[in-house]
Amino acid sequence: SSELTQDPAVSVALGQTVRITCQGDSLRGYYASWYQHRPGQAPVLVIYGTNKRPSGIPDRFSGSTSGNTASLTITGAQAEDEGDYYCNSRDDTSNHLVVFGGGTKLTVL
Amino acid sequence: QVQLVESGGGVLQPGRSLRLSCAASGFIFSTYGMHWVRQAPGKGLEWVALISYDGRTEYYADSVKGRFTISRDNSESTLYLQMNSLGVEDTAVYYCAKDQWSRAVTPSYYLDYWGQGTLVTVSS
Repeated sequence: SSELTQDPAVSVALGQTVRITCQGDSLRGYYASWYQHRPGQAPVLVIYGTNKRPSGIPDRFSGSTSGNTASLTITGAQAEDEGDYYCNSRDDTSNHLVVFGGGTKLTVL
Repeated sequence: QVQLVESGGGVLQPGRSLRLSCAASGFIFSTYGMHWVRQAPGKGLEWVALISYDGRTEYYADSVKGRFTISRDNSESTLYLQMNSLGVEDTAVYYCAKDQWSRAVTPSYYLDYWGQGTLVTVSS
């Protein structure tokens, strides 16, 4: 199975911009989607497809891809954005399977 | 509004079996693929299995293939995960999640709604 690699932890000052990255060969063929997961809560889809936000997701969340790296950018981070962020995509060894990145813990200072 | 409510978790010994359920409401369950995703203590999310909207196709992570079976009852809007030969490595919170694509032969990997999860603890 393929792998998606994320930095374990990232921090950002309140109101500043932060980028969370996700690297993997499958991203050359499939877009990443991104999930926010706060402790004790259900994960929430924040970005999918080219750079699409589900309804209710603030426009400070955006996504992009370059080569084998996908990025989630939060422009003007808020305290409520603190949590774990996961990317996922198809497993490039089998286009029926799904793979998640290891997750990035975002701290808003 | 979309609601997914998992149940069936508990504490059990290695080698035993357990069936999880996920009751869905707020959307036309029979037209969407569904997934199970788990999170072991202190670890990240791990995709477990998916099933197409009509139940005809199923796919599994290598870590559970041959031991877990995903199924659905569209008349009851309920998703299931039958887990056999459980090991300590299966200890996790198990989430059910709705696929974003409607009537897809192969569901996407965009999971647009998740339940709160149910905890499965395998310990001797």
